[in-house]
Amino acid sequence: GAGVSQTPSNKVTEKGKYVELRCDPISGHTALYWYRQSLGQGPEFLIYFQGTGAADDSGLPNDRFFAVRPEGSVSTLKIQRTERGDSAVYLCASSSPHGLVAGTDTQYFGPGTRLTVL
Amino acid sequence: AQKVTQAQTEISVVEKEDVTLDCVYETRDTTYYLFWYKQPPSGELVFLIRRNSFDEQNEISGRYSWNFQKSTSSFNFTITASQVVDSAVYFCALLSLSGSARQLTFGSGTQLTVLP
Repeated sequence: GAGVSQTPSNKVTEKGKYVELRCDPISGHTALYWYRQSLGQGPEFLIYFQGTGAADDSGLPNDRFFAVRPEGSVSTLKIQRTERGDSAVYLCASSSPHGLVAGTDTQYFGPGTRLTVL
Repeated sequence: AQKVTQAQTEISVVEKEDVTLDCVYETRDTTYYLFWYKQPPSGELVFLIRRNSFDEQNEISGRYSWNFQKSTSSFNFTITASQVVDSAVYFCALLSLSGSARQLTFGSGTQLTVLP
Protein backbone atom coordinates (compact mmCIF):
# COMPACT_ATOMS: atom_id res chain seq x y z
CA GLY A 1 0.00 0.00 0.00
CA ALA A 2 0.93 3.65 -0.14
CA GLY A 3 3.40 4.99 2.36
CA VAL A 4 3.52 8.34 4.12
CA SER A 5 3.54 11.19 1.62
CA GLN A 6 4.72 14.76 2.17
CA THR A 7 4.32 17.86 0.07
CA PRO A 8 6.09 19.83 -1.15
CA SER A 9 9.34 17.89 -1.42
CA ASN A 10 11.26 21.16 -1.46
CA LYS A 11 10.31 24.62 -0.26
CA VAL A 12 12.41 27.75 -0.59
CA THR A 13 11.17 30.83 1.18
CA GLU A 14 12.43 34.16 2.39
CA LYS A 15 13.07 35.11 5.98
CA GLY A 16 9.90 36.33 7.64
CA LYS A 17 7.49 34.47 5.38
CA TYR A 18 4.84 31.93 6.40
CA VAL A 19 5.02 28.30 5.22
CA GLU A 20 2.81 25.24 5.41
CA LEU A 21 4.07 21.68 5.10
CA ARG A 22 1.64 18.83 4.49
CA CYS A 23 1.72 15.19 5.59
CA ASP A 24 -0.58 12.40 4.42
CA PRO A 25 -0.15 9.35 6.68
CA ILE A 26 -0.55 5.70 5.86
CA SER A 27 -4.25 4.87 5.60
CA GLY A 28 -5.64 3.69 8.93
CA HIS A 29 -2.77 5.03 11.02
CA THR A 30 -4.17 7.02 13.91
CA ALA A 31 -0.87 8.30 15.27
CA LEU A 32 1.11 10.97 13.40
CA TYR A 33 4.45 12.55 14.26
CA TRP A 34 6.53 15.47 13.03
CA TYR A 35 10.32 15.55 13.32
CA ARG A 36 12.99 17.96 12.11
CA GLN A 37 16.39 16.85 10.83
CA SER A 38 19.30 19.23 10.45
CA LEU A 39 22.28 18.34 8.30
CA GLY A 40 24.45 15.64 9.82
CA GLN A 41 22.15 15.00 12.77
CA GLY A 42 19.43 12.59 13.76
CA PRO A 43 15.77 13.61 13.57
CA GLU A 44 14.42 15.64 16.50
CA PHE A 45 10.85 15.29 17.71
CA LEU A 46 8.41 18.16 17.25
CA ILE A 47 4.85 16.99 17.89
CA TYR A 48 2.73 13.82 18.17
CA PHE A 49 -0.97 13.48 17.28
CA GLN A 50 -3.26 10.69 18.39
CA GLY A 51 -6.33 11.16 16.21
CA THR A 52 -7.18 14.85 15.90
CA GLY A 53 -5.53 16.02 19.09
CA ALA A 54 -1.93 16.86 19.84
CA ALA A 55 -0.98 14.40 22.58
CA ASP A 56 2.53 15.80 22.96
CA ASP A 57 3.80 19.10 21.52
CA SER A 58 6.81 19.40 23.80
CA GLY A 59 9.25 19.41 20.88
CA LEU A 60 7.93 22.54 19.16
CA PRO A 61 10.79 25.05 19.50
CA ASN A 62 8.65 28.17 19.97
CA ASP A 63 5.23 29.65 19.25
CA ARG A 64 6.08 30.28 15.60
CA PHE A 65 5.52 26.57 15.02
CA PHE A 66 2.04 25.09 15.00
CA ALA A 67 0.51 21.89 13.64
CA VAL A 68 -3.05 20.73 13.03
CA ARG A 69 -4.79 17.51 12.11
CA PRO A 70 -8.46 18.51 11.92
CA GLU A 71 -9.94 15.26 10.62
CA GLY A 72 -7.49 12.81 12.11
CA SER A 73 -5.75 12.07 8.84
CA VAL A 74 -3.78 14.74 6.95
CA SER A 75 -1.67 17.06 9.06
CA THR A 76 -0.23 20.48 8.32
CA LEU A 77 2.84 21.93 10.02
CA LYS A 78 2.74 25.72 9.97
CA ILE A 79 5.72 27.98 10.54
CA GLN A 80 5.24 31.73 10.95
CA ARG A 81 7.88 34.42 10.45
CA THR A 82 10.44 31.91 9.23
CA GLU A 83 14.07 32.32 10.25
CA ARG A 84 17.22 31.01 8.59
CA GLY A 85 17.66 28.61 11.51
CA ASP A 86 14.41 26.89 10.51
CA SER A 87 16.14 25.48 7.43
CA ALA A 88 16.06 21.68 7.75
CA VAL A 89 14.30 18.58 6.48
CA TYR A 90 10.90 18.17 8.10
CA LEU A 91 9.90 14.54 8.44
CA CYS A 92 6.47 13.11 9.07
CA ALA A 93 5.79 9.62 10.39
CA SER A 94 2.71 7.59 11.21
CA SER A 95 1.99 4.43 13.17
CA SER A 96 -0.92 2.05 13.44
CA PRO A 97 -3.35 1.80 16.35
CA HIS A 98 -2.72 -1.88 16.93
CA GLY A 99 -0.19 -1.68 19.73
CA LEU A 100 -1.17 -2.73 23.23
CA VAL A 101 -0.34 0.78 24.32
CA ALA A 102 -1.25 3.72 22.10
CA GLY A 103 1.60 5.08 20.05
CA THR A 104 4.01 2.21 20.57
CA ASP A 105 3.84 0.75 17.11
CA THR A 106 6.66 1.26 14.65
CA GLN A 107 6.79 4.72 13.12
CA TYR A 108 7.02 4.76 9.32
CA PHE A 109 8.50 7.87 7.79
CA GLY A 110 7.75 9.90 4.71
CA PRO A 111 10.36 11.30 2.30
CA GLY A 112 10.45 14.66 4.05
CA THR A 113 10.17 18.29 2.99
CA ARG A 114 13.42 20.18 2.62
CA LEU A 115 12.83 23.74 3.82
CA THR A 116 15.33 26.42 2.92
CA VAL A 117 14.93 29.89 4.39
CA LEU A 118 16.97 32.53 2.56
CA ALA B 1 15.70 12.32 29.90
CA GLN B 2 16.43 9.90 27.11
CA LYS B 3 19.69 9.77 25.22
CA VAL B 4 21.09 7.65 22.41
CA THR B 5 24.78 7.61 21.59
CA GLN B 6 26.30 6.31 18.39
CA ALA B 7 30.00 6.78 18.91
CA GLN B 8 30.96 5.69 15.39
CA THR B 9 30.53 8.66 13.08
CA GLU B 10 31.77 6.91 9.94
CA ILE B 11 32.65 3.33 9.06
CA SER B 12 34.12 2.10 5.81
CA VAL B 13 34.30 -1.58 4.87
CA VAL B 14 34.95 -3.62 1.77
CA GLU B 15 32.09 -5.57 0.26
CA LYS B 16 31.41 -8.97 1.89
CA GLU B 17 32.93 -7.93 5.20
CA ASP B 18 30.78 -8.05 8.34
CA VAL B 19 30.17 -4.74 10.11
CA THR B 20 28.76 -3.93 13.55
CA LEU B 21 27.17 -0.60 14.38
CA ASP B 22 27.21 0.38 18.06
CA CYS B 23 24.40 2.00 20.01
CA VAL B 24 24.26 2.91 23.70
CA TYR B 25 21.11 4.35 25.26
CA GLU B 26 20.03 6.02 28.49
CA THR B 27 16.56 5.97 29.98
CA ARG B 28 14.99 5.78 33.41
CA ASP B 29 11.90 4.04 32.09
CA THR B 30 11.48 0.32 32.62
CA THR B 31 9.41 -0.13 29.47
CA TYR B 32 10.90 1.06 26.21
CA TYR B 33 11.51 0.09 22.61
CA LEU B 34 14.66 0.23 20.52
CA PHE B 35 14.84 0.63 16.76
CA TRP B 36 17.30 0.76 13.91
CA TYR B 37 16.51 2.86 10.85
CA LYS B 38 18.45 3.21 7.60
CA GLN B 39 18.67 6.48 5.66
CA PRO B 40 20.07 5.96 2.14
CA PRO B 41 21.20 8.90 -0.01
CA SER B 42 17.62 9.35 -1.19
CA GLY B 43 16.85 10.63 2.31
CA GLU B 44 13.89 8.51 3.39
CA LEU B 45 14.17 6.80 6.77
CA VAL B 46 13.58 3.06 6.38
CA PHE B 47 12.60 0.92 9.36
CA LEU B 48 14.86 -2.10 9.90
CA ILE B 49 14.33 -3.71 13.30
CA ARG B 50 12.55 -3.19 16.62
CA ARG B 51 13.04 -4.66 20.09
CA ASN B 52 11.18 -4.12 23.37
CA SER B 53 12.83 -3.86 26.75
CA PHE B 54 11.36 -7.14 27.98
CA ASP B 55 12.89 -9.26 25.26
CA GLU B 56 16.66 -9.58 25.26
CA GLN B 57 16.69 -12.49 22.87
CA ASN B 58 19.01 -11.76 20.02
CA GLU B 59 17.88 -12.64 16.54
CA ILE B 60 19.00 -12.93 12.99
CA SER B 61 16.95 -11.77 10.05
CA GLY B 62 18.62 -12.46 6.76
CA ARG B 63 21.91 -10.56 6.75
CA TYR B 64 20.88 -8.48 9.77
CA SER B 65 21.36 -9.44 13.41
CA TRP B 66 21.22 -7.51 16.64
CA ASN B 67 22.63 -7.82 20.14
CA PHE B 68 20.50 -6.26 22.87
CA GLN B 69 22.06 -6.16 26.35
CA LYS B 70 20.18 -4.35 29.11
CA SER B 71 23.09 -4.73 31.53
CA THR B 72 25.23 -2.45 29.37
CA SER B 73 22.34 -0.48 27.79
CA SER B 74 23.53 -1.43 24.34
CA PHE B 75 21.68 -2.35 21.16
CA ASN B 76 24.25 -3.18 18.50
CA PHE B 77 23.41 -4.02 14.90
CA THR B 78 25.40 -6.27 12.58
CA ILE B 79 25.28 -6.60 8.83
CA THR B 80 26.79 -9.83 7.57
CA ALA B 81 28.42 -10.02 4.16
CA SER B 82 27.93 -6.31 3.48
CA GLN B 83 26.92 -5.09 0.02
CA VAL B 84 27.39 -1.76 -1.72
CA VAL B 85 23.65 -1.12 -1.43
CA ASP B 86 24.02 -1.16 2.36
CA SER B 87 25.82 2.19 2.14
CA ALA B 88 23.69 4.64 4.11
CA VAL B 89 23.40 6.45 7.41
CA TYR B 90 22.12 4.16 10.15
CA PHE B 91 20.22 5.55 13.13
CA CYS B 92 19.52 3.91 16.45
CA ALA B 93 16.41 5.21 18.21
CA LEU B 94 14.71 4.86 21.59
CA LEU B 95 11.00 5.08 22.35
CA SER B 96 10.32 5.48 26.05
CA LEU B 97 6.81 5.28 27.44
CA SER B 98 6.70 8.21 29.79
CA GLY B 99 3.21 9.60 30.29
CA SER B 100 1.73 10.58 26.95
CA ALA B 101 5.11 10.97 25.27
CA ARG B 102 5.67 8.76 22.25
CA GLN B 103 8.66 10.47 20.71
CA LEU B 104 11.60 8.65 19.20
CA THR B 105 14.97 9.83 20.47
CA PHE B 106 17.57 9.31 17.76
CA GLY B 107 21.31 9.01 17.89
CA SER B 108 23.44 11.15 15.62
CA GLY B 109 23.83 8.33 13.10
CA THR B 110 26.67 6.26 11.65
CA GLN B 111 27.63 6.76 8.02
CA LEU B 112 28.41 3.32 6.56
CA THR B 113 30.26 3.13 3.27
CA VAL B 114 30.65 -0.25 1.63
CA LEU B 115 33.33 -0.25 -1.04
CA PRO B 116 33.22 -2.63 -4.00
